[in-house]
Amino acid sequence: LAKTTQPISMDSYEGQEVNITCSHNNIATNDYITWYQQFPSQGPRFIIQGYKTKVTNEVASLFIPADRKSSTLSLPRVSLSDTAVYYCLVGDTDKLIFGTGTRLQVFP
Amino acid sequence: GAGVSQSPSNKVTEKGKDVELRCDPISGHTALYWYRQSLGQGLEFLIYFQGNSAPDKSGLPSDRFSAERTGGSVSTLTIQRTQQEDSAVYLCASSEWTSGRAVYEQYFGPGTRLTVT
Repeated sequence: LAKTTQPISMDSYEGQEVNITCSHNNIATNDYITWYQQFPSQGPRFIIQGYKTKVTNEVASLFIPADRKSSTLSLPRVSLSDTAVYYCLVGDTDKLIFGTGTRLQVFP
Repeated sequence: GAGVSQSPSNKVTEKGKDVELRCDPISGHTALYWYRQSLGQGLEFLIYFQGNSAPDKSGLPSDRFSAERTGGSVSTLTIQRTQQEDSAVYLCASSEWTSGRAVYEQYFGPGTRLTVT
């Protein structure tokens, strides 16, 4: 399973766009890239998944360059409620390897 | 509809005792997963089930840990002779299984907070 590297923490202010980049240099051909969000005292929640190029849903966008060795989760106009830990996962099986994630703190 | 439920929500036990944690997945989800999360840490994969079988038990930390799933539904995670390092939040998740490959959207339960004194 491809290992992922992401920043330990990020700070932002309400209304700003936040981009969290994840490196996965050893991504395999069949691997998908998935992002989860976790609030304190809750289980993780699926945000978005992609294989290549760009994926957008009502919550976020996921940008994947052609070489797929990295990906960027983009959160438009964050609010205080977006304060959470964000996990980037790469794989093609059911065994999800969660790293330590990126702790996003949004300030008023 | 109902999400993934876990019980108990909190469990305090003495070192050396056995504990059983329960997970009720979303109805119709054939894949079920157990994770462990220590305070301030990421999630540690323990085991997953496809139906009632467990293709991958590699994440179980020791032979004191075991899990089973019956009827393709409820799963129990058993920890024998608990140790203080077993203290953590144990999370269960379920997902659909499509075309021989799980859909990655896993739905997590609220977790069981285990404290071993």
